[in-house]
Amino acid sequence: EDQVTQSPEALRLQEGESSSLNCSYTVSGLRGLFWYRQDPGKGPEFLFTLYSAGEEKEKERLKATLTKKESFLHITAPKPEDSATYLCAVQAGNTPLVFGKGTRLSVIA
Amino acid sequence: NAGVTQTPKFRVLKTGQSMTLLCAQDMNHEYMYWYRQDPGMGLRLIHYSVGEGTTAKGEVPDGYNVSRLKKQNFLLGLESAAPSQTSVYFCASSYSGTGPYEQYFGPGTRLTVT
Repeated sequence: EDQVTQSPEALRLQEGESSSLNCSYTVSGLRGLFWYRQDPGKGPEFLFTLYSAGEEKEKERLKATLTKKESFLHITAPKPEDSATYLCAVQAGNTPLVFGKGTRLSVIA
Repeated sequence: NAGVTQTPKFRVLKTGQSMTLLCAQDMNHEYMYWYRQDPGMGLRLIHYSVGEGTTAKGEVPDGYNVSRLKKQNFLLGLESAAPSQTSVYFCASSYSGTGPYEQYFGPGTRLTVT
């Protein structure tokens, strides 16, 4: 059974304090790993797609990396507006996406 | 472009009542999905569609029905609502083809069943 596990469940950072969120997965035939951001009361918003081990993508203060077993979302010098829940999802073969439960990030000014 | 829209935004039902949630997308996407999101459970797929007139079951399909009569619309029905169906429901859509393609989500419908 395909599984996606995100850690930690919640993370509290001071503004400017860099850290990383983890997404570990066990799937056969990974086709893509997706990162989403979700603000309270809203739908998930797409951030990145990673296709193969070694790939990296960046957007502002966010950088996503991928290995054969996990992905990291690095947040450099976060600001309060980066506070949100970050979701990871994987697609294997032609099956629908499998989502992790998310990491709730709070950045305190 | 409006992207993915959902109607209604909020709804309160009594146990046993029925309702239909409407999802519409204007991106000409082939694939559409219905999820529910509950605290501590993450996003769980209810049903999905890979094209007009086709639907398939997801992880948690019991108690729900769907229809995709038009490419741009995907309806989720609850025939006899139960308190366990209290949740936030999200619709999403994506391109088809060799992919994989990211899904675009609607703003959600918050449903309470009393």
